[in-house]
Amino acid sequence: DGGITQSPKYLFRKEGQNVTLSCEQNLNHDAMYWYRQDPGQGLRLIYYSQIVNDFQKGDIAEGYSVSREKKESFPLTVTSAQKNPTAFYLCASMGSSSYEQYFGPGTRLTVT
Amino acid sequence: AQSVTQPDIHITVSEGASLELRCNYSYGATPYLFWYVQSPGQGLQLLLKYFSGDTLVQGIKGFEAEFKRSQSSFNLRKPSVHWSDAAEYFCAVGANGGSQGNLTFGKGTKLSVKP
Repeated sequence: DGGITQSPKYLFRKEGQNVTLSCEQNLNHDAMYWYRQDPGQGLRLIYYSQIVNDFQKGDIAEGYSVSREKKESFPLTVTSAQKNPTAFYLCASMGSSSYEQYFGPGTRLTVT
Repeated sequence: AQSVTQPDIHITVSEGASLELRCNYSYGATPYLFWYVQSPGQGLQLLLKYFSGDTLVQGIKGFEAEFKRSQSSFNLRKPSVHWSDAAEYFCAVGANGGSQGNLTFGKGTKLSVKP
């Protein structure tokens, strides 16, 4: 089945540690996106990538980093510089002609 | 910059009643418009989209939405709500012809369904 996978579903970390969230897609989509979701805030764009080896900052990139070494993969690292990292993180992808974003199931990160 | 407003944070309807969720957008040209649904702890699923053409669009699960340029609105409707429709609904706008395909989301409307 084609789709987007995010792992793990739940992630717990201590404050001051970096953590990497996985996002993999087998839809052959060029574009991939990372969003952060907080209660009552909707989705806010962290980073996006239109093509392998290229990515751009979204609206709330501070404290986050990404890489896009393969078309299928777009991992997000939440660094210790992110002041409020506890949130629900959603990955999405989009084909070059569809203009529809497909979402993964999300990863809930809790930092204490 | 584009923006989306969903005026209703939480709506409760009775099962079998009709539903309308409001969405207003701000964008200079003809936008791409989307409605997504999210069950608790899950990802988002696309309900329907408007790119051009007929302003009344049909989606999955019996939902429809109407694009009204004069009101900058894209309200979501369903004639008869089922208990399984309880979820959070997000309206989103994308730039028509924009190179990035980036979407701006509203803050969502949570739908509760009374038996």
